[in-house]
Amino acid sequence: ETGVTQSPTHLIKTRGQQVTLRCSSQSGHNTVSWYQQALGQGPQFIFQYYREEENGRGNFPPRFSGLQFPNYSSELNVNALELDDSALYLCASSPPQRGLARSSYNEQFFGPGTRLTVL
Amino acid sequence: AQKITQTQPGMFVQEKEAVTLDCTYDTSDQSYGLFWYKQPSSGEMIFLIYQGSYDEQNATEGRYSLNFQKARKSANLVISASQLGDSAMYFCAMRERGTGNQFYFGTGTSLTVIP
Repeated sequence: ETGVTQSPTHLIKTRGQQVTLRCSSQSGHNTVSWYQQALGQGPQFIFQYYREEENGRGNFPPRFSGLQFPNYSSELNVNALELDDSALYLCASSPPQRGLARSSYNEQFFGPGTRLTVL
Repeated sequence: AQKITQTQPGMFVQEKEAVTLDCTYDTSDQSYGLFWYKQPSSGEMIFLIYQGSYDEQNATEGRYSLNFQKARKSANLVISASQLGDSAMYFCAMRERGTGNQFYFGTGTSLTVIP
């Protein structure tokens, strides 16, 4: 079973440029979430994709956008890059929701991340 | 208000000793899940343990246990018999049924295991 993979591993861009990060979800997982983790901070939720549609969004501007493909892989696009966009970008995939359990448990499996540096 | 608070930026523990990492959370939702993740220097987030809001018993996974005190809204992680490989960042996270799909993470605790 292949885990969550992300590409590229590292990326250096300059202010104003655009970037696309890619994520392949774990086999059987239909939900992908993206997180931004600035240095010394915890991950911040950007958005989630479920069955090719955005299914929840955190407090990020519209220049952060995404896609999910029929094979459940996903892209994160960031336009007009700013210095503060420098961070580790984590992708996490989740299996189909477990029935109607009273708890909201739905484990996420994370990829290794893409480290983006904006100069 | 912060959803997840981790008040210990750094912790040290002697090898083979137990250590407790603190986590408090804030929610008005009755149904939620609490998670702990480990993040080594490589960057990948590794799931350690989960506790559901309706679970009456504290969760345990091998050397990891979660001390869940619902009234205090705390979910502390206990690592028993610490090993050198436990040195990493540890993040507490929460998912609420009301906000659906968003995981809220704390700022993390850096654990160093001393030989």
